[in-house]
Amino acid sequence: DVKVTQSSRYLVKRTGEKVFLECVQDMDHENMFWYRQDPGLGLRLIYFSYDVKMKEKGDIPEGYSVSREKKERFSLILESASTNQTSMYLCASSLGNNGVREQYFGPGTRLTVT
Amino acid sequence: DAKTTQPNSMESNEEEPVHLPCNHSTISGTDYIHWYRQLPSQGPEYVIHGLTSNVNNRMASLAIAEDRKSSTLILHRATLRDAAVYYCILRPASGGYQKVTFGTGTKLQVIP
Repeated sequence: DVKVTQSSRYLVKRTGEKVFLECVQDMDHENMFWYRQDPGLGLRLIYFSYDVKMKEKGDIPEGYSVSREKKERFSLILESASTNQTSMYLCASSLGNNGVREQYFGPGTRLTVT
Repeated sequence: DAKTTQPNSMESNEEEPVHLPCNHSTISGTDYIHWYRQLPSQGPEYVIHGLTSNVNNRMASLAIAEDRKSSTLILHRATLRDAAVYYCILRPASGGYQKVTFGTGTKLQVIP
C-alpha cells in the first residue's frame, strides 16, 4: 500500500516563527501536493511539485514556500507564521498529475499559530 | 473549472446500501470523476474513479449517468466505519497544473 507520512500530527507555533512541515511518500510518485483544509472551505491547493526541484503554485501560495530536494520528500515552509495560517495541512502524492491517477493523502498536520 | 454539487449530509442505516449523488453539469469530455472520503481526524482516502463506464472495486461502485452530468457512489452495505465526509471531484485527463476543487462534500452518518 502507498504510504504518505507527515512529520507531525499536531504543531503549535508562535506568530513570526518559521515553520517546516515535512511529507514523505514511499511509492516513487513524481507528483506531490500540499493542501490546507479549513471548515466550510474544503481543501485548497497551496503548491504542488511534479519532479525533484520543480514546483508550481496552487490556488493559495501566498505566505508559503516549498522544497523538493529528493523525490520522496516534499516540504512546506511558512516563512513567518501568522494566525490566519492556523489550519489542517494535508500532503498528497500521485503517480501522475491528471485524472487518470488517484491521489494518496497523509494523515494531516493540525497547525495552530498563536 | 468544472464544479460539483453534493448534498451536505445524508443518513443511512447500518448494513443497508447507500447512494451518494453528485451533480457535475459542466463536466468536460476529458474530466475523470473521482471520489474520496475523509474519516474524522484523518486525511482523505481514495475511493474510486471513472470516466464514462460504471466502475466497481472492493470499496464501492461508481455509477455514471449516460450524459456524464451526474454520478452516484454506491456503498453496498454501509458499516459504522463508512461514516465520513465523501467528496466528489473532477480531474482533467491532461497533465500539467490543474485547479481541482474539493468542495465541502457529503457528511454520511451511519445509524446502528
